[in-house]
Amino acid sequence: EAGVVQSPRYKIIEKKQPVAFWCNPISGHNTLYWYRQNLGQGPELLIRYENEEAVDDSQLPKDRFSAERLKGVDSTLKIQPAELGDSAVYLCASSPVGQFRQYFGPGTRLTVT
Amino acid sequence: QKEVEQNSGPLSVPEGAIASLNCTYSDRGSQSFFWYRQYSGKSPELIMFIYSNGDKEDGRFTAQLNKASQYVSLLIRDSQPSDSATYLCAVIWDSNYQLIWGAGTKLIIKP
Repeated sequence: EAGVVQSPRYKIIEKKQPVAFWCNPISGHNTLYWYRQNLGQGPELLIRYENEEAVDDSQLPKDRFSAERLKGVDSTLKIQPAELGDSAVYLCASSPVGQFRQYFGPGTRLTVT
Repeated sequence: QKEVEQNSGPLSVPEGAIASLNCTYSDRGSQSFFWYRQYSGKSPELIMFIYSNGDKEDGRFTAQLNKASQYVSLLIRDSQPSDSATYLCAVIWDSNYQLIWGAGTKLIIKP
């Protein structure tokens, strides 16, 4: 069984530039999560999808962050414009129906200069 | 405000000894508790979960839950250098199924 796939693995951009991250969850997992993790911190939930529906986006900075999960499979997280404080690792995770166990992708390390 | 607290460490334990990691949470409404291991530069991976008061054992790992005192712990027996990692505690609140994460405890197993 293939795991959660994320791309790119690393991204370096200048501040004020846009950036996008892509996630393909494990086949059949209906719940998808986007997290941000800073060094020495636990993951911080940005958004949670149940199929196509964003059921928890309370911590997503909506002025610059957006996300979509078309057809309830792949998902894209976008930042526009990026700020220095956005430098972090962005993790995608997925869960099967009825389970809370989360399976994480390798993450995207974003550096904003 | 729902919070999950962990000692950031590092916790240094000699090889072969028992490593004890602790986590406290703020809200009695929480029901599900998870321990994830995260190696440096890698993603978190689930090692244990527990729902009921008491102990749950899986190989060298034991999770202990005390809802009255609002803490959950992870014991690692016969610690190995490969156990050196950051251990993240995560708690789900049934009210909205939101998973709240602690900041993690860095564990170092010394040969």
